[in-house]
Amino acid sequence: VYLVQSGAEVKKPGESLKISCQSSGYSFTDYWIAWVRQKPGQGLEWVGIVYLADSDARYSPSFQGQVTMSADKSITTAYLQWSSLKASDTALYYCARRETGKYYFDSWGQGTLVTVSS
Amino acid sequence: QSALTQPASVSGSPGQSITISCTGTSSDVGSYNLVSWYQQNPGKAPRLLIFEVTKRPSGVSNRFSGSKSGNTASLTISGLQTKDEADYYCCSYAGSTSSFVLFGGGTKVTVL
Repeated sequence: VYLVQSGAEVKKPGESLKISCQSSGYSFTDYWIAWVRQKPGQGLEWVGIVYLADSDARYSPSFQGQVTMSADKSITTAYLQWSSLKASDTALYYCARRETGKYYFDSWGQGTLVTVSS
Repeated sequence: QSALTQPASVSGSPGQSITISCTGTSSDVGSYNLVSWYQQNPGKAPRLLIFEVTKRPSGVSNRFSGSKSGNTASLTISGLQTKDEADYYCCSYAGSTSSFVLFGGGTKVTVL
């Protein structure tokens, strides 16, 4: 099982951004991809989850309206995007795999560091 | 919805056993046997240690065990080793009408 995330990004406040998580080595129809935020020196926060097969997305109330999750099943890739970044979005973002009907994350990507600074 | 509550730090000597608590509410930890635990080493992604309260994925040492009583779940590390020094996070399903999943604030384990 491989979850490979896109590289680190440095952006200015107000800019847009889309990061990715490409999965391989398993049947994507049986799994969802979750996004988890970790601010510097802090704990894990669940952002939301997206189903690769049909892009069905569920958001944590804390992140609803702040980010958009999507997927492209043809390349088994999930995306997390921002339309207008804030300095407070600076964090490490992990993607993780969750089997349908289960509520734990058994495989994780390496993380994408997003830095937002003027 | 608030994060699950974990102690900020727990320490122990090599060979000892330590327990990390994870306290939620009757809406999350108390309602579902869907608590998982993750170990995170510095600069690394989290790694699944325990799922569904007590189950271990293949490859995880049987020195790690999980339990739950009421609204509190626990992770016990027995025969503590220096390589166990890491951050540990609990996670619980919180129901489809709320935030689905909640994480704990994390516990730093130090091996003295």
